[in-house]
Amino acid sequence: AQSVTQPDIHITVSEGASLELRCNYSYGATPYLFWYVQSPGQGLQLLLKYFSGDTLVQGIKGFEAEFKRSQSSFNLRKPSVHWSDAAEYFCAVGAWEAAGNKLTFGGGTRVLVKP
Amino acid sequence: NAGVTQTPKFQVLKTGQSMTLQCAQDMNHNSMYWYRQDPGMGLRLIYYSASEGTTDKGEVPNGYNVSRLNKREFSLRLESAAPSQTSVYFCASSEIAVSYNEQFFGPGTRLTVL
Repeated sequence: AQSVTQPDIHITVSEGASLELRCNYSYGATPYLFWYVQSPGQGLQLLLKYFSGDTLVQGIKGFEAEFKRSQSSFNLRKPSVHWSDAAEYFCAVGAWEAAGNKLTFGGGTRVLVKP
Repeated sequence: NAGVTQTPKFQVLKTGQSMTLQCAQDMNHNSMYWYRQDPGMGLRLIYYSASEGTTDKGEVPNGYNVSRLNKREFSLRLESAAPSQTSVYFCASSEIAVSYNEQFFGPGTRLTVL
């Protein structure tokens, strides 16, 4: 069974500074990897996804993530954070199943942005 | 195009009461899902419906039942609510039930069981 670990529960970053959120996964085959963002009181929105090919993936809102198979990681980055990036971020891994589209989520990282 | 909608947004129940959470999507998606979100645990899949007429258990199905009413609607029922079911519930949908298919989420229902 697959699993996802997000080691950082909270991260505080100054506006304009860079941001990196860590995600480590465990899965026996090539994973499908996702990053979702949840703004306060809202549902989850997909930021980006990786299925195959280029290991550096570009997403919405200026985010990117890099898949590193050797490290079983899929870290999310943004060069310059805006106050509107304050939210909770979830990494998820999908696995091929005969039926269903089962995503396994990490515990989330809450990002606070200081002015 | 409203996407995925959920009702109600908030609900308080007493232990032993029952209720149904409603979910509807207008994207003509085949697959729908119910998750619960608890602090520090991310989202955990309760039940899913790969296509109209089918439902399957997810990771944490105990204490819940689901109904795929039609292609648009997927409801979650708590027959006898327990405090352990206090959580935020999210409904999601995807075009088809394969792992590379993006899931679209509703705004959530915050449920408190006293």
